[in-house]
Amino acid sequence: DAGITQSPRHKVTETGTPVTLRCHQTENHRYMYWYRQDPGHGLRLIHYSYGVKDTDKGEVSDGYSVSRSKTEDFLLTLESATSSQTSVYFCAISLSVLNTGELFFGEGSRLTVL
Amino acid sequence: GESVGLHLPTLSVQEGDNSIINCAYSNSASDYFIWYKQESGKGPQFIIDIRSNMDKRQGQRVTVLLNKTVKHLSLQIAATQPGDSAVYFCAENTGGFKTIFGAGTRLFVKA
Repeated sequence: DAGITQSPRHKVTETGTPVTLRCHQTENHRYMYWYRQDPGHGLRLIHYSYGVKDTDKGEVSDGYSVSRSKTEDFLLTLESATSSQTSVYFCAISLSVLNTGELFFGEGSRLTVL
Repeated sequence: GESVGLHLPTLSVQEGDNSIINCAYSNSASDYFIWYKQESGKGPQFIIDIRSNMDKRQGQRVTVLLNKTVKHLSLQIAATQPGDSAVYFCAENTGGFKTIFGAGTRLFVKA
């Protein structure tokens, strides 16, 4: 069973402050993703990584940056949080080396920006 | 643009009945179609997928049907149980890093 740990699970912060969410996996999977989930929008891809130091933008990447300095960790940073970034953030890994969309998700990180 | 949508936002079924959750997609180039289940407070969980060269695939109590002519995808759950209550998402993937999710359908199972 793929193991993903997201931290923190819950965070409340103020507008303009930096926030970093961490995703840690234990299975050495190559592909990792950050999604956000908002009512009425399903899940939307923010950024993804296809290897150490290899990342790219998804459909809603503005205001977010990512880093992957080692295989097991994928960090999502909000440089200056805004209220529109209040959301639930999910990290995922691809279970298929072919990237067929079969994803394993973490438990989520709920972020509230006041 | 690309979109994955659902016909019904909520579905209520009696325990023991079969459930059918529908989904429309718009990208003819999508190669894989996937169903996810999300329980309250948890991340989405993979249920089953189907490749574009198939029209039906069965799993344990679930069947996914794909109709490429009308760009329609459905998930059938046999003998629906209370534990099936959740939000179900369809998603499409073109074989790369981009998996597009629909908005979700909430399934209520009445005892």
